[in-house]
Amino acid sequence: QSALTQPASVSGSPGQSITISCTGTSSDVGSHNYVAWYQQHPGKAPKLMIYDVSNRPSGVSNRISGSKSGNTASLTISGLQVEDEADYYCNSYTSSSTWVFGGGTKVTVV
Amino acid sequence: QLQLQESGPGLVKPSETLSLTCTVSGGSIRIKGYYWGWIRQPPGKGLEWIGNIYHTGSTNYNPSLKSRVTISVDTSKNQLSLKLTSVTAADTAVYYCARRNGGTSQSDPWGQGTLVTVSS
Repeated sequence: QSALTQPASVSGSPGQSITISCTGTSSDVGSHNYVAWYQQHPGKAPKLMIYDVSNRPSGVSNRISGSKSGNTASLTISGLQVEDEADYYCNSYTSSSTWVFGGGTKVTVV
Repeated sequence: QLQLQESGPGLVKPSETLSLTCTVSGGSIRIKGYYWGWIRQPPGKGLEWIGNIYHTGSTNYNPSLKSRVTISVDTSKNQLSLKLTSVTAADTAVYYCARRNGGTSQSDPWGQGTLVTVSS
């Protein structure tokens, strides 16, 4: 199985909005709504930010939102803050009953 | 509050077997409807899904690792285990365990991770 495709880096200024894309195929992202997003700060374990395309776990800021169109899922961070600077990974279920991650996107707040 | 903690040797020799344990506290590993899985992250690289086990004992593995991986559960100890055979330097990574709600993509919580280095 091939990793999902994410941009290597995305940057924005405080207060701006950014969107991270996650492109897969009709065998993973495009086949169902089991797509999650994780945030990872250096040296820390990943933290769940979005599950099932657009659901936010309790405690996650409402500045975080997710969506999907066809074979591409997206994560949007609005009102960008310094604390949002981290790596972000998408994760999708596949038609083979396995899971696949994206390559990761480094978000920089400039 | 459910917590997961990985443990095991930090150094494994090439061609040997990597064995890790994930101890679950604050909840039972036998509860129906959850998947227990392993994910790894080579230094400076992205996340890679290794596999998971359902409460029934059913397993799914990453096709690229399937021939070398075994995931099992010891309900008496409330532990999840990972065995990876014939390791090489490419298996050097931080290994995480995590719980996923069945029927969703919600993997939470995760353990803090444990670094395993493959070197002679």
